Amino acid sequence: KQEVTQIPAALSVPEGENLVLNCSFTDSAIYNLQWFRQDPGKGLTSLLLIQSSQREQTSGRLNASLDKSSGRSTLYIAASQPGDSATYLCAVRGTQGGKLIFGQGTELSVKP
Amino acid sequence: GAVVSQHPSRVICKSGTSVKIECRSLDFQATTMFWYRQFPKQSLMLMATSNEGSKATYEQGVEKDKFLINHASLTLSTLTVTSAHPEDSSFYICSASSPGNTEAFFGQGTRLTVV
Repeated sequence: KQEVTQIPAALSVPEGENLVLNCSFTDSAIYNLQWFRQDPGKGLTSLLLIQSSQREQTSGRLNASLDKSSGRSTLYIAASQPGDSATYLCAVRGTQGGKLIFGQGTELSVKP
Repeated sequence: GAVVSQHPSRVICKSGTSVKIECRSLDFQATTMFWYRQFPKQSLMLMATSNEGSKATYEQGVEKDKFLINHASLTLSTLTVTSAHPEDSSFYICSASSPGNTEAFFGQGTRLTVV
């Protein structure tokens, strides 16, 4: 049974700092991995999608890496801003069209 | 990215009544939709997988007679919470994926409060 873990559960950093969020999964046989952002009381916004054959994806100040063999993914946020404050969730999909298994999320707070 | 619209965003209902939540894919056809439930400060818990034209597949521990799911068209799935009780109060979110598009897109969520 796939399990997804995110560390840390919460993180507070000053504005401008570069930071890394971690995601680990127990079953390396994944189809893809997706990072999401969730603001309080809102739905999920897709940030980055990494297929199992890929090593990383980049979008603006965000970079996500995937090491399938070790069951790990990281989300790197460069030059953090207060507007980045949110909960970040990673989720893995085992098969095409299959369900997503979510981690517990990392609650990020970027202080001005 | 694709747009998934969920309605209503908030609903308050009396205990014992039923509430319907709609999930629509606005610019693509979704053969599969997923319904999640989220408690405060917790992650998303998958409730059921909704396939167009067939019965939903429920996760273990989710009462199918309590949470009725209908996916009658390629752009609409509905979740009906029947005979709601205060413990059903939660944040419900749907997601949709189109055939061949493995990226998941989420609705805005529905905050259900049962009083």
